[in-house]
Parts: sequence; structure tokens; C-alpha cells
Amino acid sequence: KAGVTQTPRYLIKTRGQQVTLSCSPISGHRSVSWYQQTPGQGLQFLFEYFSETQRNKGNFPGRFSGRQFSNSRSEMNVSTLELGDSALYLCASSLEVRESGELFFGEGSRLTVL
Amino acid sequence: AQTVTQSQPEMSVQEAETVTLSCTYDTSESDYYLFWYKQPPSRQMILVIRQEAYKQQNATENRFSVNFQKAAKSFSLKISDSQLGDAAMYFCAYRSSYSGGGADGLTFGKGTHLIIQP
Repeated sequence: KAGVTQTPRYLIKTRGQQVTLSCSPISGHRSVSWYQQTPGQGLQFLFEYFSETQRNKGNFPGRFSGRQFSNSRSEMNVSTLELGDSALYLCASSLEVRESGELFFGEGSRLTVL
Repeated sequence: AQTVTQSQPEMSVQEAETVTLSCTYDTSESDYYLFWYKQPPSRQMILVIRQEAYKQQNATENRFSVNFQKAAKSFSLKISDSQLGDAAMYFCAYRSSYSGGGADGLTFGKGTHLIIQP
């Protein structure tokens, strides 16, 4: 069974641009969540989707948005990029939204903002 | 808001020895879940072990076990018979059992870099 797939793996953008990251969950998984990982702030929760609905959202500005499609694939978008948005963005999927549930993570998308 | 603290940025252990990674957390909730995740250099995070707060019995998974002290809000990970493949960043994480509304998801500690010396 294929794991969580994130694309692109690496990308470079300049300040003010926008970026869209994609996540394909494990087949059959209906819940997708996103995390931002930086050396300074560590891992921070961005949002969680289940059946195309945003279930939870972390403490990030409105420039960060996401969505989930009917096939459970998810995208996140960051508009008006800032230098501080440089990070590894991790996507994780799970069968259902259960607080005790195991999350299966992708390898991440490494975003560099110049 | 919940916080998770890992006080050891880096730990080193000899192969085949035992090592314990520390984690403390702060919460006003009584029902929650705790996790240890491992992130090898390839970056893919993997669940090592989980603990339900309502269970007094400490979770174990093969060479990995936890010492869960609810009153002290402590959740340490013990790795027995350390192997070279255990080298990674280890993250302690908390998740509330009261889902929905506001910030949720996993709250992670800053991580402990575990080095295995051959």
C-alpha cells in the first residue's frame, strides 16, 4: 500500500508569491492534517480535514488555507509569502478523525522563501 | 493551551544500552492522548508508541516502553537494547480528547535528537 505522497518535495519561491502544496493520503484514509516544521518553532498544527470539511484549524494567519477533495486528496495554499514561511510542511493522514488515532506522515514539502 | 516540553535537545547512547527520553506536558484536561513519534533523517515521521490518559498501565511496544505519570504530567520513553536504526529525532506529542472547535491536532515538543554510538 502506497504511503502518504506529498508534492512537490522541494520548491523555492520569492516573497509575495503564493504556493500550493499537494498531499495524497493513504488509500482509504479520509482524514488529512497539515503541520509546519521549522527549527525555531518546531512542529505546529495548521489544519485538519475530514470528508472535505475543515475540522480544526491551528493558530496561523488567514494567508494559510487548505481544502480537501472528494477523493480525500488535500491541498494547502500560502499566499503573500513571507521569509518566515520557509519550512518543511508535513501532511498526515488517518482512517478517521480519532484523537487516539495514529497519523501516517508524508516526507514533506520543503519550502524556501527568498 | 497545552504545552509539551522535551528538556533534552540531544541524547547519546551506546548500541545495546538503554536510554530514556523525557517529556513533560501541561494541560488542564483530564482526558487526552500522548504519543512518541520518531523522525529519521529521511524525514518521514513514524508513530513509536501511544498512551491513553485514562489507562494507568504503561504502554509497551517491543523494545519501547513509556513511564506515564499522570499526576506529575510526565511521559518518558524508554528504549531498551538500542540499535543503530533507532537514531532519529524523537517527538513527544499531546492530543486532547475533546475534538472540534479551535486549535486541535497534535501539540508537539521540540524534539530530542538521539544518537546511537556503535
